[in-house]
Amino acid sequence: NAGVTQTPKFQVLKTGQSMTLQCAQDMNHEYMSWYRQDPGMGLRLIHYSVGAGITDQGEVPNGYNVSRSTTEDFPLRLLSAAPSQTSVYFCASSRTGGSSIFGYTFGSGTRLTVV
Amino acid sequence: AQKVTQAQTEISVVEKEDVTLDCVYETRDTTYYLFWYKQPPSGELVFLIRRNSFDEQNEISGRYSWNFQKSTSSFNFTITASQVVDSAVYFCALKGASNYQLIWGAGTKLIIKP
Repeated sequence: NAGVTQTPKFQVLKTGQSMTLQCAQDMNHEYMSWYRQDPGMGLRLIHYSVGAGITDQGEVPNGYNVSRSTTEDFPLRLLSAAPSQTSVYFCASSRTGGSSIFGYTFGSGTRLTVV
Repeated sequence: AQKVTQAQTEISVVEKEDVTLDCVYETRDTTYYLFWYKQPPSGELVFLIRRNSFDEQNEISGRYSWNFQKSTSSFNFTITASQVVDSAVYFCALKGASNYQLIWGAGTKLIIKP
């Protein structure tokens, strides 16, 4: 049982480049989400999904796209990277949007630097 | 609006001391969930506890205990007999029943000195 798997763990992009951060879970969780963590701040929600084919915006969605074609996968796309998107990105999943006793399961994070 | 405040940016104690991390929250939801997560230097997020708004029982798990008080909108976390391995950033988070967003505090960096 791998839990939530994020790839890559580290990435350096040049301004204007695009890339996709991968997130996969093997727990059959309906709910998946992407957060970013900036120094001195808590995590902030970028996008989330409550099931295959359903996505919605979080607190800081600008510059990011998501899709959910399967229950297992929830990739995050940066369309045109900017230095402001330098951050650590976490993918999280849950059975019921955090209402289960186990809360959310987080991936190990992707450290992204945009130069 | 929902908000989580962790006023203690950094706490430093000597090993074996007890330490309490404060968390104060704001929400208009009558049903909500409170969480604590640990982020060790390696960077992963480790789930510690979830508490429902309708369950005010305090909880103890080994050296960890949590004090939930709705009257003061607080959900404080105490580590008894701290150990160096407890050194980490600890986050308190809130989720209202009316939405899917987990609102995070800014975190408290806990340093346990040997």
